[in-house]
Amino acid sequence: AQSVTQPDIHITVSEGASLELRCNYSYGATPYLFWYVQSPGQGLQLLLKYFSGDTLVQGIKGFEAEFKRSQSSFNLRKPSVHWSDAAEYFCAVGAERTASKLTFGTGTRLQVTL
Amino acid sequence: DAEITQSPRHKITETGRQVTLACHQTWNHNNMFWYRQDLGHGLRLIHYSYGVQDTNKGEVSDGYSVSRSNTEDLPLTLESAASSQTSVYFCASSRLAGNEQFFGPGTRLTVL
Repeated sequence: AQSVTQPDIHITVSEGASLELRCNYSYGATPYLFWYVQSPGQGLQLLLKYFSGDTLVQGIKGFEAEFKRSQSSFNLRKPSVHWSDAAEYFCAVGAERTASKLTFGTGTRLQVTL
Repeated sequence: DAEITQSPRHKITETGRQVTLACHQTWNHNNMFWYRQDLGHGLRLIHYSYGVQDTNKGEVSDGYSVSRSNTEDLPLTLESAASSQTSVYFCASSRLAGNEQFFGPGTRLTVL
């Protein structure tokens, strides 16, 4: 069975600083990988996804993520954080054969200081 | 615009009562999912469905049931609510395997 680890429960960055949120997955074959964002009191919104091909994927709101098979990682990055990026971020993995069913990490809460 | 809605948005109930949370999507998606979100656990899958008359158990299905009589709806029923089921519940849908899941706004359930 697949699993996801987000080692950072809470991260604080200054507005304008760069951001990297870590995600490590466990799955024996090629995974389908997703990053979702949840603003307070809201549902989840997809930021980006990786299925195959180019290992650097671009998403909405200026986010990108890089799939590194050798490290079983799919870290999310943004070069310059805005105060509106403060939210909770979830990494998720789906199995190639049953990618409809996702396993989510426990989330990383991002706080942005002005 | 197509959307996914959940009702009620907030619910307070008592231990032992039966509770049903509604989920309705207008995308005509085959796949629908129910998750619960708890601090420190992220989202955990309760039940899911790949089409009409199809239902499957997720990792935390005990005490919950679903039924799928049409494409648009997947109601979640708590047969006998317990305090451990106090949580925020999210419904999601997707078109095909590997596609993005679209999430509803959530239902905050409190069991006293």
